[in-house]
Amino acid sequence: DAKTTQPTSMDCAEGRAANLPCNHSTISGNEYVYWYRQIHSQGPQYIIHGLKNNETNEMASLIITEDRKSSTLILPHATLRDTAVYYCIVRVPRADYKLSFGAGTTVTVRA
Amino acid sequence: EADIYQTPRYLVIGTGKKITLECSQTMGHDKMYWYQQDPGMELHLIHYSYGVNSTEKGDLSSESTVSRIRTEHFPLTLESARPSHTSQYLCASSEALGGYTGELFFGEGSRLTVL
Repeated sequence: DAKTTQPTSMDCAEGRAANLPCNHSTISGNEYVYWYRQIHSQGPQYIIHGLKNNETNEMASLIITEDRKSSTLILPHATLRDTAVYYCIVRVPRADYKLSFGAGTTVTVRA
Repeated sequence: EADIYQTPRYLVIGTGKKITLECSQTMGHDKMYWYQQDPGMELHLIHYSYGVNSTEKGDLSSESTVSRIRTEHFPLTLESARPSHTSQYLCASSEALGGYTGELFFGEGSRLTVL
């Protein structure tokens, strides 16, 4: 799996958009970008994934640059319950069972 | 909602005891995983399974063992618990074929404390 780089931590004001960056400059053509989050030692929760097109679901939006070397997860209206560790992972869905989470970004949403 | 369950959620046990952490999923997923996570630290894969009668060790060496006799069940066993085994153990599953997205579904975790 391609290595990813994320900021260690970031703060966000409640009600504002949270933009979480992720660099994956060594991504290969068949690797997808996945985002998970982990709230206070619960099991990680899947958020969204994409290959090259921007994606949106009820939780977030994923913006992938045209060269696919970086991406941004957007939480449109952050709430206190969005405080969590967010993991950006790059992998081929079927090829490797060893999903590595890394350190992630600790996001703190403040009132 | 993911249908993957772990028991017990919390376990405090003495050194030398045998423990089994249970993990069951009702989604018919072929792939299942065990991760270990210390407080504030990264998740580390310790075991995974492609399907029934298939088990492999993950990236982090662990003294625990696993079995996969039924698709829905993936228990983890420690024959003789030690304080160094104190940690949170997270079970996950994912699809194998047909419509596979790579998404992992996690249980709520089993927090083990060995005294």
